[in-house]
Amino acid sequence: DTEVTQTPKHLVMGMTNKKSLKCEQHMGHRAMYWYKQKAKKPPELMFVYSYEKLSINESVPSRFSPECPNSSLLNLHLHALQPEDSALYLCASSQGPSAKGPEAGQPPYEQYFGPGTRLTVT
Amino acid sequence: AQTVTQSQPEMSVQEAETVTLSCTYDTSESNYYLFWYKQPPSRQMILVIRQEAYKQQNATENRFSVNFQKAAKSFSLKISDSQLGDTAMYFCAFMKPRYNAGNMLTFGGGTRLMVKP
Repeated sequence: DTEVTQTPKHLVMGMTNKKSLKCEQHMGHRAMYWYKQKAKKPPELMFVYSYEKLSINESVPSRFSPECPNSSLLNLHLHALQPEDSALYLCASSQGPSAKGPEAGQPPYEQYFGPGTRLTVT
Repeated sequence: AQTVTQSQPEMSVQEAETVTLSCTYDTSESNYYLFWYKQPPSRQMILVIRQEAYKQQNATENRFSVNFQKAAKSFSLKISDSQLGDTAMYFCAFMKPRYNAGNMLTFGGGTRLMVKP
């Protein structure tokens, strides 16, 4: 099973609303990611969780708040968003690297993406 | 910091023909991975092929193959026998493994491929 699921598929919210995006994987992956993607652009990394701890925050505004309740679940809490935050939000997961470093024959650490949540802020 | 460049914003190919998408990258790292991802209009990002930098042999996956030139920092994708379902945005991506942390993907700007019947 190489599936990453995301809910909801579509979300419309006002600038004063509070909402959450949910991402789930059952592949035993220990790294999970949030990306933001604007139309015709590549995904932009927002957050990385490794072993359920936030390891990378790409200077994302505080109106986006990530949460990793357990190794299978990743949430993105949204509050007081702006219209320019409208985008496709992608979740991804990967095995996560070994603490020992690279070795020939280790599995590649590709990321598996979910279908995304199309967010519109009005 | 790594950069990834895809110099062809849009390409088209006739069904059943072969097309090559270009990708160059810049890095001072010696150990890294390269990927091609496909994003069809449904917007699901799908891994097409991967290449480990320490492997000299070019990766192949059915109709998809790469030409990995490490010294030239080039990583092109060849699609043989193009099918209508290959119509999508293709992203080249670079990854340097980070230990005890998640891995960051650096994406190129993308190439929009249209397969024509």
